Amino acid sequence: GEDVEQSLFLSVREGDSSVINCTYTDSSSTYLYWYKQEPGAGLQLLTYIFSNMDMKQDQRLTVLLNKKDKHLSLRIADTQTGDSAIYFCAEGFIFGKGTRLHILP
Amino acid sequence: DAGVIQSPRHEVTEMGQEVTLRCKPISGHNSLFWYRQTMMRGLELLIYFNNNVPIDDSGMPEDRFSAKMPNASFSTLKIQPSEPRDSAVYFCASTAFSGGAGEQFFGPGTRLTVL
Repeated sequence: GEDVEQSLFLSVREGDSSVINCTYTDSSSTYLYWYKQEPGAGLQLLTYIFSNMDMKQDQRLTVLLNKKDKHLSLRIADTQTGDSAIYFCAEGFIFGKGTRLHILP
Repeated sequence: DAGVIQSPRHEVTEMGQEVTLRCKPISGHNSLFWYRQTMMRGLELLIYFNNNVPIDDSGMPEDRFSAKMPNASFSTLKIQPSEPRDSAVYFCASTAFSGGAGEQFFGPGTRLTVL
């Protein structure tokens, strides 16, 4: 069946770049998404990429899509303490289990 | 728009009791989803509706779980009887697109604790 996989934890020092990776199995969706969940809240859309694009940049966020390998990544430049959250990759409405980003001082 | 509304925000109940979680999607949205989130299993899709019709309930854990969407503005997720392993945060989400595509808007969640 359809599946989206991502690592569960990532620790990064403040000011460094964070890279969260995701792989998916179904390639029929038009869009792939990154959602952010802050403590005690629901998920909110962070960014998305159209399936015929390779890269999308939005301020500190860079999304890379490798359709051949079915690999999606989210890069956060200059990681701040406010970036501490759980990040979910989604292909259509199939979500990964989320990557908890921990910021080290 | 108030966004997706869920009630209650917190529910504490005893094993064996019936639990009903409620969701009001964003007006005009065509698809509605129920998810469960735990530390061990992450975010799991339980069921989703398209135009009030259940499309995929393969994620519903067992017969103790049931979901309904009697109209476009209301859905319920019922657990009867509840068990301690049902303790989790339950999210409802909606999207304007049929077939489940498009940005999903999540409610704040219901934190369920079954003692």
